[in-house]
Amino acid sequence: DVVMTQSPLSLPVTLGQPASISCRSSQSLVHSNGKTYLNWFQQRPGQSPRRLIYQVSNRDSGVPDRFSGSGSGTDFTLKISRVEAEDVGLYYCMQGTHWPPYTFGQGTKLEIK
Amino acid sequence: QLQLVDSGGGVVQPGRSLRLSCVASGSTFSSAAMHWVRQAPGKGLEWVAVIWSDGNNKFYADSVKGRFTISRDNSKNTLYLQMDSLRVEDTALYYCASEVFGGRHFDYWGQGTLVTVSS
Repeated sequence: DVVMTQSPLSLPVTLGQPASISCRSSQSLVHSNGKTYLNWFQQRPGQSPRRLIYQVSNRDSGVPDRFSGSGSGTDFTLKISRVEAEDVGLYYCMQGTHWPPYTFGQGTKLEIK
Repeated sequence: QLQLVDSGGGVVQPGRSLRLSCVASGSTFSSAAMHWVRQAPGKGLEWVAVIWSDGNNKFYADSVKGRFTISRDNSKNTLYLQMDSLRVEDTALYYCASEVFGGRHFDYWGQGTLVTVSS
């Protein structure tokens, strides 16, 4: 199984400041079709997860443009350019290249300082 | 767009069974692959099972293989998860999630339904 490792696991950020979450996979996530199936999800307190980014860098509809995804191979990053109060919650990366199983990172808890 | 409503959770003793349902509103259900994902209390997300749009292909996590069965009824826009031989470690919030466009995993999520396995 592909192991997804996120860092940091806890991320205190000042409002208006940038934030960055790293996600590393135990093997390359490049599919034989050339696509990379790495997604990012946000889970606000008490809510269901919501996808923010699919295939590394494609922002979902309605996701603010302060969120961006980047990376390749085994190293990926989610960046928030300016953190807002509504960004508090858990963030997960997830791979869908080598399945089953689909695997998630451990989650990163973003909080406001 | 797809709206998903999960139901069927509850408290059950170890070894017993439970069936979860996920009702979808929207015309894309029948063409979407559908997944179950669970989250144990205070823990992260764990993928459980997937079923393709025509219902002919199903895959499971090793932790539930042989005990859980995923199915769907496209005429009712409903996804199911039959859970047999439940264990304490199956206690979790269970979410259904869709894959409307192939390769764009978990684009829509239900609100979750809580399964508690306890004696």
